[in-house]
Amino acid sequence: NAGVTQTPKFQVLKTGQSMTLQCAQDMNHNSMYWYRQDPGMGLRLIYYSASEGTTDKGEVPNGYNVSRLNKREFSLRLESAAPSQTSVYFCASSVYRGTDTQYFGPGTRLTVL
Amino acid sequence: DQQVKQNSPSLSVQEGRISILNCDYTNSMFDYFLWYKKYPAEGPTFLISISSIKDKNEDGRFTVFLNKSAKHLSLHIVPSQPGDSAVYFCAGSMGNTGKLIFGQGTTLQVKP
Repeated sequence: NAGVTQTPKFQVLKTGQSMTLQCAQDMNHNSMYWYRQDPGMGLRLIYYSASEGTTDKGEVPNGYNVSRLNKREFSLRLESAAPSQTSVYFCASSVYRGTDTQYFGPGTRLTVL
Repeated sequence: DQQVKQNSPSLSVQEGRISILNCDYTNSMFDYFLWYKKYPAEGPTFLISISSIKDKNEDGRFTVFLNKSAKHLSLHIVPSQPGDSAVYFCAGSMGNTGKLIFGQGTTLQVKP
C-alpha cells in the first residue's frame, strides 16, 4: 500500500516548455488535490477533483490544467512553464472532500529557468 | 488576503518542555481546523484536528485549543521530543468544499 505517489521527484524546465506531473493513489479515495508550496507562503491549492469526472479551481489555478484520468490518477499540466512556477508541488487525496483527512504525496520539486 | 496566519516563523524549545504553536484566522466560515507536520523532503502528514464547535481536542502528547471569539488556535506538544522537530502548518477547512487554506508554517526545533 504505497499511499500517494508522485512522479517525477525533481524536474528542471526552461521557460516555455511543457510538462505533466503525475499523481496516483491506491487508497480508493474519491477526492484528489494539487498544491504548491513556496517559501513563506504555506501550501496553496491549485486544483482539486471532488470525485472522478469533476475538477474545480483552487486558489492559484492560472497557468495550470488538470486531468482526473480515473479514480486513482490526477495529473497536473504546465502548458508553458514560467519561472514563477518554480515551486514544490504536492498531490493529496481524501476519502471525500470536506473534513476528511488529506493524505499527501512526497512532492515534486520543479525549477523553471 | 491571508485567511490563516502563523506569525512565528520559528520556535526553539528544550526537550521535555512544552511547545506552543499559534495560528490566527480571519474567515468565520471555517468549520474545521487541522494541523499538519512536515519533515524535509516529505509531504505533510496529518497530526490533529478540531471542529469549530469544540474548544479542545487532545491526542496523546498533542492538544489543540480553539478560541473562536479571538479567531485563534494553538497546538500544544507536551513533552516535546527531538523527533518533533519539523515544520507545522495549521489549516482551515470550509464545509464540504474540501478546500484547505494553510498558514505559512512554523519551524519547530526541539533541542536535546
